Amino acid sequence: EPEVTQTPSHQVTQMGQEVILRCVPISNHLYFYWYRQILGQKVEFLVSFYNNEISEKSEIFDDQFSVERPDGSNFTLKIRSTKLEDSAMYFCASSGEGGGGYTFGSGTRLTVV
Amino acid sequence: EDQVTQSPEALRLQEGESSSLNCSYTVSGLRGLFWYRQDPGKGPEFLFTLYSAGEEKEKERLKATLTKKESFLHITAPKPEDSATYLCAVQAPRNTDKLIFGTGTRLQVFP
Repeated sequence: EPEVTQTPSHQVTQMGQEVILRCVPISNHLYFYWYRQILGQKVEFLVSFYNNEISEKSEIFDDQFSVERPDGSNFTLKIRSTKLEDSAMYFCASSGEGGGGYTFGSGTRLTVV
Repeated sequence: EDQVTQSPEALRLQEGESSSLNCSYTVSGLRGLFWYRQDPGKGPEFLFTLYSAGEEKEKERLKATLTKKESFLHITAPKPEDSATYLCAVQAPRNTDKLIFGTGTRLQVFP
């Protein structure tokens, strides 16, 4: 069964450092997303990406965040200068034409120290 | 404001003891309601999408139903491997694909 692959599974970084989280969505999907889940809290929407541009972003997705699809397979989330409060599980998801069931990856656990 | 509320927060069942999880929502113009299963340290695993009141979907021991205000996830004769957190999410209306999640119900099934 097709799956969304995320790397790394765990990342520890120092406050103020830049991190890049990587995702390989399902190959024939057109819509790509990043969500995050702070420990013990809800899964929260960050950004959606379609046709090589951001289609929607949340209030959380400020100027410190950026997304990119550098080639035909990867989808990345960059945090320029990490803060302690950025510590969370970050999930990549993708969906096909018309949305429908989103497929989530297993996540990257980001710890900012 | 669009909102999703799940209850109970946690549920402990004996193996074989059927029960239901609730997801109530406040969304103007629901486009879709999703149920996911999440195991500790993992991403949400898609279970069902429901689009209109009266719709029902089944998968093994799980059955999801939808009304105009809430959805139920019925678990029939659960097994220990059904232990997980079950998440409900709604697709917000009007030109957006984002999902709004509830806090989930943490289900534990004991043998």
